[in-house]
Amino acid sequence: NAGVTQTPKFQVLKTGQSMTLQCAQDMNHEYMSWYRQDPGMGLRLIHYSVGAGITDQGEVPNGYNVSRSTTEDFPLRLLSAAPSQTSVYFCASSAGYGSGGELFFGEGSRLTVL
Amino acid sequence: QQPVQSPQAVILREGEDAVINCSSSKALYSVHWYRQKHGEAPVFLMILLKGGEQKGHEKISASFNEKKQQSSLYLTASQLSYSGTYFCGTAGAGSYQLTFGKGTKLSVIP
Repeated sequence: NAGVTQTPKFQVLKTGQSMTLQCAQDMNHEYMSWYRQDPGMGLRLIHYSVGAGITDQGEVPNGYNVSRSTTEDFPLRLLSAAPSQTSVYFCASSAGYGSGGELFFGEGSRLTVL
Repeated sequence: QQPVQSPQAVILREGEDAVINCSSSKALYSVHWYRQKHGEAPVFLMILLKGGEQKGHEKISASFNEKKQQSSLYLTASQLSYSGTYFCGTAGAGSYQLTFGKGTKLSVIP
């Protein structure tokens, strides 16, 4: 019962470096999404996908890229890290396309950009 | 546009009741409620859909006023385990985007 698995759990980057946060789910969910969580701001949607090959932007997409080549995986790429991207990132999947079904969250990835 | 939650924080003694409110300025199809404990991922509590359908845990109750675009989460006979930050998430009809509020921090003390 793995559910949603995120790696790495912790990462420290220097400004300008790039990296990929990995997300995999084993529930055969079509819908996957990435959120960032900052103190006092709640969870803000970065990007989402409603199936393999289909992605779209959320509320705060700038500085991030995503792709969805398989149903299971939904990686999030930071192209050129900035201190403003220091945050906790959560990947989530759903059988109900986000609005109509329970979101299952991964454990989170804590990113610090120096 | 983020839904607005109130109160921002509340402290309860065990056994007391609390209500957390969530309000949106746009027409809603669904309202979700999640609880997050410190250092952990959010956990699903309930979803309320336009038209009256509800899915969630038996011990949690909530309401959804479709005309006012408001939802309330009712926590009765609170236990220490209820402590955490509660988030509402809202989505409009046909939208794939679930937008969360800033959260309500609930602390239950003995």
